Amino acid sequence: DARVTQTPRHKVTEMGQEVTMRCQPILGHNTVFWYRQTMMQGLELLAYFRNRAPLDDSGMPKDRFSAEMPDATLATLKIQPSEPRDSAVYFCASGFRVHYNEQFFGPGTRLTVL
Amino acid sequence: EDQVTQSPEALRLQEGESSSLNCSYTVSGLRGLFWYRQDPGKGPEFLFTLYSAGEEKEKERLKATLTKKESFLHITAPKPEDSATYLCAVLGNSGWGAQKLVFGQGTRLTINP
Repeated sequence: DARVTQTPRHKVTEMGQEVTMRCQPILGHNTVFWYRQTMMQGLELLAYFRNRAPLDDSGMPKDRFSAEMPDATLATLKIQPSEPRDSAVYFCASGFRVHYNEQFFGPGTRLTVL
Repeated sequence: EDQVTQSPEALRLQEGESSSLNCSYTVSGLRGLFWYRQDPGKGPEFLFTLYSAGEEKEKERLKATLTKKESFLHITAPKPEDSATYLCAVLGNSGWGAQKLVFGQGTRLTINP
């Protein structure tokens, strides 16, 4: 049963600490997306990659957020330093280039910054 | 800028009581309109993609329809297990190769037994 996996599922940290979230896309998918979901803003796209190259990261605060794909099986989203307003659920999704109409979401990482 | 507005924000129905959820959108060059279901504590799950006005898609008790300005998700004779938040999203012409979905705030649907 192919699915997107994310770690950790829950993270509580203190303001100023570095946070790294990891995502393993479905094998064979070449497009990876990072989303953030909050009650106030809903689901927002932060960044996405195709064939491991960043295509758009305009949704991310550049001074503290960074997203990378070290290899085809791992995508990371890093926040440094973290702030309380970063508290949210962060979702990773993956898809095929030629089937851009479908994105398969992971279970999310619930981040709480105190 | 692409925008999606969903209504109502929340909807409570009795089991078997049919209804519709609305998704109004503005987008420059619609490449697709998507419906997702999201259960509490989980990621969104893909339901449908609609590409052009007049198109309809069905899955079990759900039917999605599309016009040039809005989409409806019709729920026929719903069951308690249909309770979830339903998200609508659009993909517009924001650049070559872009896959930038814009989501609405969702409709939280509760089906009472």
